[in-house]
Amino acid sequence: DADVTQTPRNRITKTGKRIMLECSQTKGHDRMYWYRQDPGLGLRLIYYSFDVKDINKGEISDGYSVSRQAQAKFSLSLESAIPNQTALYFCATSGTGAGANVLTFGAGSRLTVL
Amino acid sequence: QKEVEQNSGPLSVPEGAIASLNCTYSDRVSQSFFWYRQYSGKSPELIMSIYSNGDKEDGRFTAQLNKASQYVSLLIRDSQPSDSATYLCAVESGGSYIPTFGRGTSLIVHP
Repeated sequence: DADVTQTPRNRITKTGKRIMLECSQTKGHDRMYWYRQDPGLGLRLIYYSFDVKDINKGEISDGYSVSRQAQAKFSLSLESAIPNQTALYFCATSGTGAGANVLTFGAGSRLTVL
Repeated sequence: QKEVEQNSGPLSVPEGAIASLNCTYSDRVSQSFFWYRQYSGKSPELIMSIYSNGDKEDGRFTAQLNKASQYVSLLIRDSQPSDSATYLCAVESGGSYIPTFGRGTSLIVHP
């Protein structure tokens, strides 16, 4: 089983719909992240969480919200999806101490908003 | 605004050659530097990390860091077609634990 699991892997939805992308991890890491990847734009940080009670905005948080339900679960929501949110979304985790800034990524969730 | 710059490529090299991938960064207090490899349709995976000036070697991969010039590079020796992927440079400023990613360089190794 994957260390970082994202669901769904693929989703097609319509403008205005609410969408939730879920992430769970078995690595025991405290830190979790949501990134968005668009062709030619690299990875951009949406939100991150360093523990269950900690939520922080990244560089492109507008139009998104997150929930850290437990140490192992971090979900990303699009309250009212729009076409320019079509992208590949990655969840990532990292530990503390020496490995604090090394990210382990999930397989990705490809979202298409029509 | 912290910036990490990479040439988008594609960089095309013949099998067996040395591939040289470059990355510059804007934040002088950056402490940690990473190279991730991403195959098409897959997630990024860490291949190298480097924290101090100089070279760090791991098998066919060598990471080079020059903090004075704000420059980090990745050399791939004896390039193989299986090395064909996008290589993402990531830079983390001291204490933030949040890496900033470059846009990636596409590498094509042709037989």
